Amino acid sequence: QKEVEQDPGPLSVPEGAIVSLNCTYSNSAFQYFMWYRQYSRKGPELLMYTYSSGNKEDGRFTAQVDKSSKYISLFIRDSQPSDSATYLCAMSGGSGYSTLTFGKGTMLLVSP
Amino acid sequence: SAVISQKPSRDICQRGTSLTIQCQVDSQVTMMFWYRQQPGQSLTLIATANQGSEATYESGFVIDKFPISRPNLTFSTLTVSNMSPEDSSIYLCSARQARETQYFGPGTRLLVL
Repeated sequence: QKEVEQDPGPLSVPEGAIVSLNCTYSNSAFQYFMWYRQYSRKGPELLMYTYSSGNKEDGRFTAQVDKSSKYISLFIRDSQPSDSATYLCAMSGGSGYSTLTFGKGTMLLVSP
Repeated sequence: SAVISQKPSRDICQRGTSLTIQCQVDSQVTMMFWYRQQPGQSLTLIATANQGSEATYESGFVIDKFPISRPNLTFSTLTVSNMSPEDSSIYLCSARQARETQYFGPGTRLLVL
């Protein structure tokens, strides 16, 4: 079992839809959870950063962490064609010097 | 947030040659990393660039193939040595500021013929 599992997609939705992107993980030591957005031919851009369990909202984006289920989600409301990108989840143990473990990324396509 | 630049942005190289990629951060950071991203794949950590000491390499990556320097808190280089077509990839520099907040550069697209 991989440490972090993420459905590669592609996930195709119409403009305005609510998008749900998810990752599961196996390492209970993970405490920091991140979502990155990567446009084609660009580097990953940090979107959301969450510590431990709970929700965090930033504009149209909501990150949710359920440590008991080892499951994290990113919700995008009112999706736009400009949201079309690959979304990578990442997590770490939080020792201060621990490295990030990434999912493979989910490709999202939002059609106008 | 940290702004990271990389040079070159892309290159086409002949097998057997070496390429050095530069990474510059606009502020002092605690940690810098180098990643590789194969087409359609996620990010694979090559090494952690340590300031003033040898880099810490992940399993499967060795210093002779990927020598790394980090002379100060804002700059690092990665060299891909004795290249083969299997080294064709995107190489990404990354930097960490507070806690686990980690940012990435735009990447260097390398094609080895």
